[in-house]
This record gives sequence, C-alpha cells and structure tokens, in this order.
Amino acid sequence: ILNVEQSPQSLHVQEGDSTNFTCSFPSSNFYALHWYRWETAKSPEALFVMTLNGDEKKKGRISATLNTKEGYSYLYIKGSQPEDSATYLCALGGAGNNRKLIWGLGTSLAVNP
Amino acid sequence: NAGVTQTPKFQVLKTGQSMTLQCAQDMNHEYMSWYRQDPGMGLRLIHYSVGAGITDQGEVPNGYNVSRSTTEDFPLRLLSAAPSQTSVYFCASSPPPGIPYNEQFFGPGTRLTVL
Repeated sequence: ILNVEQSPQSLHVQEGDSTNFTCSFPSSNFYALHWYRWETAKSPEALFVMTLNGDEKKKGRISATLNTKEGYSYLYIKGSQPEDSATYLCALGGAGNNRKLIWGLGTSLAVNP
Repeated sequence: NAGVTQTPKFQVLKTGQSMTLQCAQDMNHEYMSWYRQDPGMGLRLIHYSVGAGITDQGEVPNGYNVSRSTTEDFPLRLLSAAPSQTSVYFCASSPPPGIPYNEQFFGPGTRLTVL
C-alpha cells in the first residue's frame, strides 16, 4: 500500500519568516509528485507537478524540490505572509491513464502578522 | 470557462434520504473524480471516471453510485444517506492522456450534513 506522509502536521510562523515542510513517499515506481495549496473554505489549487529527480520548481516566494531516489520533496516559503496561511498537500501521481492521486494529510500553515 | 462547478453548495439530509450531488466541467477533461474530505482523514477517493461510459471505484465507494453519460457531467448519488456520510465532497477533473503531468482541477465543494 502506497503511503504519502507529510510533516509537520501544523506550523505557526511569524510574518517574514521562511519555512519549509516535507512530503515523504515510497521511492519505488515513482511517476509524479504534486503539491497543492488549500485555503480554508476554498478548494485545492495546484502549485507544482514534479517528475524528475532533482527537479526544482518555483512560483513567486514558493519553491519545491524533489528527490525520487530517497523519496521526499520539500516545499519552501520565503518571507511568509499572512496570505500564505493554508494547508499544503502533496500527492503521488500515477502513470498514463492512471490519474488517481494518493494524498498526504497536509501541513497546515498559519502565518501570524 | 466556468471550470468545475458543483451544486448544491450546502445540503442537509435526514437519514435514509437519497440525493444527487452534481458536478460539471467545461474543459473537455476526460478524467473526473469524487473525493470526500473529513477532519484528520485527508482527501479520500470515492469514485472516478476516465471517460464517458467508464467509471470505477476508489477507496471509499460504499453507499455511493456514479454514472458518466457525458464528458461534462459526473453526478454522485447517495442511495440512502447515513450520518457517516456527513462530509465535504469535492469533484475534480483532469486533462486527457497526452498531458500526463497535469494537475487536477477542483470544484468548490458541497458541504453535506446527514441528521
């Protein structure tokens, strides 16, 4: 059974702090790793999809790295702002027509002004 | 494009009632899925479809039926509602094969309470 684990479960930081959290997954049969951002009372929105070992993606102050050999991905937020407060989900994606995603439970980030 | 739409946004049912949650997308996506989200459980896949006329079960299919008669619509039916089905339900869609790494697009969710 594939398991995607995220840590920490929750995080409180001050505005301006940089932070990072982890997504761990089985390294065998890897195909794609997705990161989503989920604000309270809204629906999840895709941040990144990564497929290659060593991939690094960036969107504004948010970036992510991928290590498929050891089975982890890091999400970094530089200079956190209150609007970054959300739950950050990672999901393991399947190949070809298998579009089922295996979801982690998420890291809940609260940025205090 | 409206993206993925879901109706209703909120619903309260009594135990034993049946209802259909509607989901539609206008992006010509072949893959559609239904999730439920419960505190501490994360997103759990109920049913999914890889195209019109094709559906399959996810992790937690019991008590739910789906059909996919068109590419656009993927309704979720609760046959006889139970309090354990109180949850927030999300519909999602994804582009067809050939764009293998694309993300899923989520609807706004339906908050269902079963009394």
